Amino acid sequence: QSALTQPASVSGSPGQSITISCSGTSSDVGSYNLVSWYQQHPGKAPKLMIYEGSKRPSGVSDRFSGSKSGNTASLTISGLQAEDEADYHCCSYAGSSKRVFGTGTKVTVL
Amino acid sequence: EVQLVESGGVVVQPGGSLRLSCAASGFTFDDYTMHWVRQTPGKGLEWVSLISWNGGNTYYIDSVKGRFTISRDNSKNSLYLQMNSLRIEDTALYYCARNGGAGSGTYHFDYWGQGTLVTVSS
Repeated sequence: QSALTQPASVSGSPGQSITISCSGTSSDVGSYNLVSWYQQHPGKAPKLMIYEGSKRPSGVSDRFSGSKSGNTASLTISGLQAEDEADYHCCSYAGSSKRVFGTGTKVTVL
Repeated sequence: EVQLVESGGVVVQPGGSLRLSCAASGFTFDDYTMHWVRQTPGKGLEWVSLISWNGGNTYYIDSVKGRFTISRDNSKNSLYLQMNSLRIEDTALYYCARNGGAGSGTYHFDYWGQGTLVTVSS
């Protein structure tokens, strides 16, 4: 099972919107609406931001939204803030009870 | 408050063995499927293994199948990962993670521990 493909880095200015892509295949992202997204600050554990493609856990800002088109999922952060600077990881169900993560994206707030 | 605390990570030689533990608190442990996820220093995350609420079903990533064994002791609210025949490429920070939602039918991780570092080196 190969890792999902994410851009290595994405940047934006405060207040702007950015989108992080997560490209998979018809065996994972394309087959299931079960992509989740995690935010990870340096030295910290990942934090769930989006699950089942577009659902937000309680307490997560509505500036974070998820979507999917074909074999590619996306995470959009609107109204970018300094605290959003972190690594972001996507993850998809890949069948047979397995999960596959993305390569990770470093978000920089300029 | 949900807490997951991993332990057991050390430096071990290639071919060696190690057992990781994860102590859970703040929730009904035996309601949840549990996972191990690892992260290579400076790299992305990799799902390693899962175990169902009662230990009856276990799954592994292909690269650890036959070498790693996941288990749990619900009476002790604890999750384990027995790691045998360790390879240099198993070097990583190992996280214990809770499956989102009790029961089955969910496919995300809603709580994570802080991780325990396993270094495989001669």
